[in-house]
Amino acid sequence: NAGVMQNPRHLVRRRGQEARLRCSPMKGHSHVYWYRQLPEEGLKFMVYLQKENIIDESGMPKERFSAEFPKEGPSILRIQQVVRGDSAAYFCASSPPVTGTAQGSPLHFGNGTRLTVT
Amino acid sequence: TQLLEQSPQFLSIQEGENLTVYCNSSSVFSSLQWYRQEPGEGPVLLVTVVTGGEVKKLKRLTFQFGDARKDSSLHITAAQPGDTGLYLCAGVNTGGFKTIFGAGTRLFVKA
Repeated sequence: NAGVMQNPRHLVRRRGQEARLRCSPMKGHSHVYWYRQLPEEGLKFMVYLQKENIIDESGMPKERFSAEFPKEGPSILRIQQVVRGDSAAYFCASSPPVTGTAQGSPLHFGNGTRLTVT
Repeated sequence: TQLLEQSPQFLSIQEGENLTVYCNSSSVFSSLQWYRQEPGEGPVLLVTVVTGGEVKKLKRLTFQFGDARKDSSLHITAAQPGDTGLYLCAGVNTGGFKTIFGAGTRLFVKA
């Protein structure tokens, strides 16, 4: 049973280029979350998506960043015109459908994509 | 804005010592989760605590959720080098739709 798959593991982009990060959730999981982590820091929430819907994008910069989770295929986090400050590890997590109970579903994380902007 | 503060940020101890990591917030969460992250990998869930005052044990790890569901602690007994890693607490907001992470406690256990 494959876990959350992220690719690429490492991505190097020059300033001004576009970065596309892919995430395939665990089988049966319909919810995807993207987090960003800087060295020696915790995870910063960016966006929460269900299939074909963005549920909460409150943590994602309004400009240059976008995310999608199409009906078929992986979730994509897209960063346009990258700048050096975008260099970070980007983690994707998936969970089964939230049942609306208080507990919330545990998140299953991929091993991240390390983006370096030169 | 919901925030989770973890302390200490960094802890270096000898094998065999005990330690406690704290996670505090002014917000109430429906549940709190603890994750452990190793270098180059994603976080892995250790435990979820749901009820105020709840205590859960996982071998040498003891997790407690505060009565008011605003804070939590992780206690490790007789730490081992294999416990080395980044420990993250995460609060799940009401309705279970969003998980907020603290900045983490980086633990280093020396043999």
